[in-house]
Amino acid sequence: NAGVTQTPKFQVLKTGQSMTLQCAQDMNHEYMSWYRQDPGMGLRLIHYSVGAGITDQGEVPNGYNVSRSTTEDFPLRLLSAAPSQTSVYFCASSYSNGGGAFFGQGTRLTVV
Amino acid sequence: RKEVEQDPGPFNVPEGATVAFNCTYSNSASQSFFWYRQDCRKEPKLLMSVYSSGNEDGRFTAQLNRASQYISLLIRDSKLSDSATYLCVVNTKTGGFKTIFGAGTRLFVKA
Repeated sequence: NAGVTQTPKFQVLKTGQSMTLQCAQDMNHEYMSWYRQDPGMGLRLIHYSVGAGITDQGEVPNGYNVSRSTTEDFPLRLLSAAPSQTSVYFCASSYSNGGGAFFGQGTRLTVV
Repeated sequence: RKEVEQDPGPFNVPEGATVAFNCTYSNSASQSFFWYRQDCRKEPKLLMSVYSSGNEDGRFTAQLNRASQYISLLIRDSKLSDSATYLCVVNTKTGGFKTIFGAGTRLFVKA
């Protein structure tokens, strides 16, 4: 019962470094999304995808890129890490017909 | 105005109490609605879907009022294990399919 798998669980980056957060789901969900969660801010949508080859921006897309080459995978790339990107990142997937989403366990990212 | 707004909380209640959470959403074209639960330092988990006819799952009852664009969650006979943050979630297809989360309401149930 893998569900949604995110890696890594923890990461420390230096300002200016780049990295990719991995997300994979095995439920054949069409819709995948990335959120960041900061204290007092709730979950904010970064990017989302309604299917392979289709991505779109959410509420806070700046500084992040995504791609969706397969139904299963939806990686999030930080292009040049900044301290403002210190956050907890969650990947989620769901059926595009509006079903509830399933979340990965999150990645706690610190940028120093 | 935020697309999904919730009572800020926190709610502090004794065991056995009944507690109600409220949520409003701004997009009248929103299509589906949910309540999620998030424990400290964990991922959000789906608690239940919300329908206009109302739905119940044990001690939990959810209700949707489309005319008022209002969603509620009622927890009866609160348990210590109900302590968590409760997130109101709305799916919409306006301008692309999106899932929007409220900021959450923190619940503390005390013995």
